[in-house]
Amino acid sequence: DAGITQSPRHKVTETGTPVTLRCHQTENHRYMYWYRQDPGHGLRLIHYSYGVKDTDKGEVSDGYSVSRSKTEDFLLTLESATSSQTSVYFCAISESSYTDTQYFGPGTRLTVL
Amino acid sequence: LAKTTQPISMDSYEGQEVNITCSHNNIATNDYITWYQQFPSQGPRFIIQGYKTKVTNEVASLFIPADRKSSTLSLPRVSLSDTAVYYCLVITSGTYKYIFGTGTRLKVLA
Repeated sequence: DAGITQSPRHKVTETGTPVTLRCHQTENHRYMYWYRQDPGHGLRLIHYSYGVKDTDKGEVSDGYSVSRSKTEDFLLTLESATSSQTSVYFCAISESSYTDTQYFGPGTRLTVL
Repeated sequence: LAKTTQPISMDSYEGQEVNITCSHNNIATNDYITWYQQFPSQGPRFIIQGYKTKVTNEVASLFIPADRKSSTLSLPRVSLSDTAVYYCLVITSGTYKYIFGTGTRLKVLA
């Protein structure tokens, strides 16, 4: 399996609290992605990064920000968590080309009360 | 970006061949078709990718007709461990954005 870890794996927080999720890879892949998965919606792309300090929005980016200061780390921040952001968050990586396989991390289950 | 449509669920019995068809009517010339498998509490895992005709690997085959408006994932002789959700994706040239649909929930029965 690709070397991808996510932390924390589980988190419970309260509405209005800032939350940061971390994705760490040991594959030196250029591209990193954050998805959320909710029942009835499959996986939806939040943000992605195509290099250090290079990021772009996905289809559900409102309320989220990202940062990538090193190749191996991609952070997802919920500035002020809301109950609608309760979800399972997956990080993924890919090497270079758009046709390259995306490898997914184990996921983070976030509950916003 | 091409949208995909798949059956919501399918049941099969151990040892049977399972075919899951995905519709992608507005696929573009340079788009690739990719399938992922997801088990509960895990991230999706790559199964197979193709552009046209037929692709086969050690776990599955992918059939793509000439018009490329659909594709069929074929799983030979399924076992209970193949119970999972299967996603069809169309990867659009020039972007790195994967659009996952809601997937097909396959249940393999003993």
